[in-house]
Amino acid sequence: DAKTTQPTSMDCAEGRAANLPCNHSTISGNEYVYWYRQIHSQGPQYIIHGLKNNETNEMASLIITEDRKSSTLILPHATLRDTAVYYCIVGGRDDKIIFGKGTRLHILP
Amino acid sequence: EAQVTQNPRYLITVTGKKLTVTCSQNMNHEYMSWYRQDPGLGLRQIYYSMNVEVTDKGDVPEGYKVSRKEKRNFPLILESPSPNQTSLYFCASSLSQGRPEAFFGQGTRLTVV
Repeated sequence: DAKTTQPTSMDCAEGRAANLPCNHSTISGNEYVYWYRQIHSQGPQYIIHGLKNNETNEMASLIITEDRKSSTLILPHATLRDTAVYYCIVGGRDDKIIFGKGTRLHILP
Repeated sequence: EAQVTQNPRYLITVTGKKLTVTCSQNMNHEYMSWYRQDPGLGLRQIYYSMNVEVTDKGDVPEGYKVSRKEKRNFPLILESPSPNQTSLYFCASSLSQGRPEAFFGQGTRLTVV
């Protein structure tokens, strides 16, 4: 059973912020939200993760709603190199990473 | 540079001819795993290893073997490859299973004819 729901695809103009939503309405209290991305046929790349609080690193920001049932990954200034499939994953600390279908993000010049 | 290295990157082989795909990481990670990726099926875990000499089956282990004799290496062995094992394979490592920051290799595209 998929623990997350993501749109199949999204477009974003180059230079704008890309906001990728993820629903995880059945998330339990000890489960984290992780984001990975996969640029065409390359190995997946870890982006960011969070539990309750919003998180930011050099790649992206993660906004988690107060009820933790959804989250948004934000790429603040998207470039063409951000074109990829983005995976939102929910799991506990000791759970293995289970990839869903993800969101195919197209950055438009 | 922190990395996971897989070899070979591309391989075409014939049914039944044993092959090994190597995976090596230079980060002293305890946890390593193998995935295969197929169109429409996404990434599925084949085997994983929590530490040296500790391995366990993932979701699709049939037809594969692994070993973990030393921390840095985690080879994937196909004793008798079949065409349904044609796929894109990824090796991954992380500090431990509970750490989400996994590093993935660049992939091995295997074709079995």
